[in-house]
Amino acid sequence: QKEVEQDPGPLSVPEGAIVSLNCTYSNSAFQYFMWYRQYSRKGPELLMYTYSSGNKEDGRFTAQVDKSSKYISLFIRDSQPSDSATYLCAMGQNTGFQKLVFGTGTRLLVSP
Amino acid sequence: GAVVSQHPSWVICKSGTSVKIECRSLDFQATTMFWYRQFPKQSLMLMATSNEGSKATYEQGVEKDKFLINHASLTLSTLTVTSAHPEDSSFYICSARVLQEGQPQHFGDGTRLSIL
Repeated sequence: QKEVEQDPGPLSVPEGAIVSLNCTYSNSAFQYFMWYRQYSRKGPELLMYTYSSGNKEDGRFTAQVDKSSKYISLFIRDSQPSDSATYLCAMGQNTGFQKLVFGTGTRLLVSP
Repeated sequence: GAVVSQHPSWVICKSGTSVKIECRSLDFQATTMFWYRQFPKQSLMLMATSNEGSKATYEQGVEKDKFLINHASLTLSTLTVTSAHPEDSSFYICSARVLQEGQPQHFGDGTRLSIL
């Protein structure tokens, strides 16, 4: 079993839809949770990071962490074609953010 | 803020040559930089962790003599792929962590390495 599981997709939605992206994990020691967006042939771009359980909102993006279920989510409201990319979840165990473990990434396609 | 610059973005070279990739943190000091490798449609795999002024820590299965890492300053780390072969062709990405604790890694735009 992988430490972090993420559906590779692709996930296709129409413009304006609410998108839900998810990851599950097995290591209860993870405390820091991040979502990165990666366009083709580019490095990952940090979107959201949260510590422990709870919600965090930034513009159209909302990150949720449920440590009891070992489940994290990223919601994108009013999705745009420019949101089409691969979304990677990543997790770390300690305060230094050392050695992140990444999901395989979910490819999102938003059609106009 | 937190910009990481990686150079070159794409390199093509003949088998047997060595290739150096630079990773710079432009607007912050990074005590730790990380080197990843990514194959098509796969996630990032950590190769090594580089701490300024000390030897890099390599992940299991990564040849330290093949992938030489130098982190001479708080803003620069280099990865040299020595005697590169076609199987070394991949997308190499670096990241840097801001000096203060609690800050996440920021990534460069990656280097596409093609060995002929």
